[in-house]
Amino acid sequence: EDQVTQSPEALRLQEGESSSLNCSYTVSGLRGLFWYRQDPGKGPEFLFTLYSAGEEKEKERLKATLTKKESFLHITAPKPEDSATYLCAVHLNDYKLSFGAGTTVTVRA
Amino acid sequence: DAGVTQSPTHLIKTRGQQVTLRCSPKSGHDTVSWYQQALGQGPQFIFQYYEEEERQRGNFPDRFSGHQFPNYSSELNVNALLLGDSALYLCASSLWVSNQPQHFGDGTRLSIL
Repeated sequence: EDQVTQSPEALRLQEGESSSLNCSYTVSGLRGLFWYRQDPGKGPEFLFTLYSAGEEKEKERLKATLTKKESFLHITAPKPEDSATYLCAVHLNDYKLSFGAGTTVTVRA
Repeated sequence: DAGVTQSPTHLIKTRGQQVTLRCSPKSGHDTVSWYQQALGQGPQFIFQYYEEEERQRGNFPDRFSGHQFPNYSSELNVNALLLGDSALYLCASSLWVSNQPQHFGDGTRLSIL
């Protein structure tokens, strides 16, 4: 059965304290892996798409990487405005998005 | 350029009632997908519409049904509401048969009393 698992469930960081979020997947027919950011009461906001192992994408303080079994979202020198839930999703052969449960990041000033 | 819009933003219903939620896709998109997100969970795929037909369906009962109109907008209908149907319902739009990302609206918060 296709599965997407994110860890940790929650992450509390001090401003400037870099860390990484993990997304591991056991799926067949992976067509792409997506990272989204979700703020409370809002819909997911697209961040990155990764298609093949070894690929990396960057945006401001965020960097996403992909291997054959997992993806990492690195947050470098985070600021309080980076506080959000980060969702990982995989795009399967049938073009459905399968989401993990998310990692809630809190950055304290 | 308007993104994905959903209405209403909040809705309160009682058990046994039915509800209709609405979604307008991002300009240029032709495919609409619906997701249910329970508190503290990731979104769960309900179904996907393209060319006014249901193309894919997740593990949801027949109480959940939908429709897509010629202008690509879509409705989600839920009959015989249960307490467990309380959730954030998200609509996402994209291009059909494309590996481009889906873009989400801010959802409809449905509360069942």
